[in-house]
Amino acid sequence: QVQLQESGPGLVKPSETLSLTCSVSGGSISGYYWSWIRNFPGKGLEWIGYIYYSGNTNYNPSLKSRVTLSVDTSKNQFSLKLSSVTAADTAVYYCARHMTYSSKFDPWGQGALVTVSS
Amino acid sequence: DIQMTQSPSTLSASVGERVTITCRASQSISSWLAWYQQKPGKAPKLLIYDASSLESGVPSRFSGSGSGTEFTLTISSLQPDDFATYYCQQYNSYSTFGQGTKVEIK
Repeated sequence: QVQLQESGPGLVKPSETLSLTCSVSGGSISGYYWSWIRNFPGKGLEWIGYIYYSGNTNYNPSLKSRVTLSVDTSKNQFSLKLSSVTAADTAVYYCARHMTYSSKFDPWGQGALVTVSS
Repeated sequence: DIQMTQSPSTLSASVGERVTITCRASQSISSWLAWYQQKPGKAPKLLIYDASSLESGVPSRFSGSGSGTEFTLTISSLQPDDFATYYCQQYNSYSTFGQGTKVEIK
C-alpha cells in the first residue's frame, strides 16, 4: 500500500526557511492531492496547504504569504517551504494524501519534528 | 474560515464504558467530517469519514453521526487500545481540525 515519508532538517534557525520533502512509495503521486499538516506540541492540528500532482496549489490563508509547495512527479515527491520561521512554527510536520481538493486525509506519513531555535 | 470545537477536551473512562465525543462546526458543513485517532508519537489514523462511514479495518465499536453543525463520535465499549487523542476534521471548505479530545484511563 501507499506509504509516505517526510525528510528534512530537524532544526531551523529563526527567520530562515523550513524545507521538507515527502517521498511517496508503493503508488504513484499522479492523480491525487497531497497536503502538509502540522501538529503543535500538546496542541491541535493545522492544515498548511495542498498540491495536486499537476502542480495546482491551495494554501491555508493564515500561512499563504510564507508557504510554497512543489511537486516532482519524476521522483514521486512533493515538498514544503515555509519562510521566515519563528519558534511558533515548531511542530511535527506530516504529509498526507487525499482524493479530492477537500476531503479526508489517508494515509499520513510518520511525521517529522522541526524545531525552530538559534 | 470554519471553526471546529470539540468537547470535552479530556475524558476519563473505564474499559467497557460507552464514550461519546462531540464536534461542533461554526457553520454548516453538511456531512463533510472525519474523525481520527492519534497515539503519542504516531500519525493520526482515519476512523470515520463523511460523518458516519467507517473506514475499512476500523472496529465496529466506533461509529459517527450528525450533519450540519453537530457531530458525534461514539465508542460503544471502550477497549485498552482506544486510549488516545481523537480529532475531528471538516473538509467542506479547506480543512480545519478540532482541538482534540484526550481519552484517559479512569
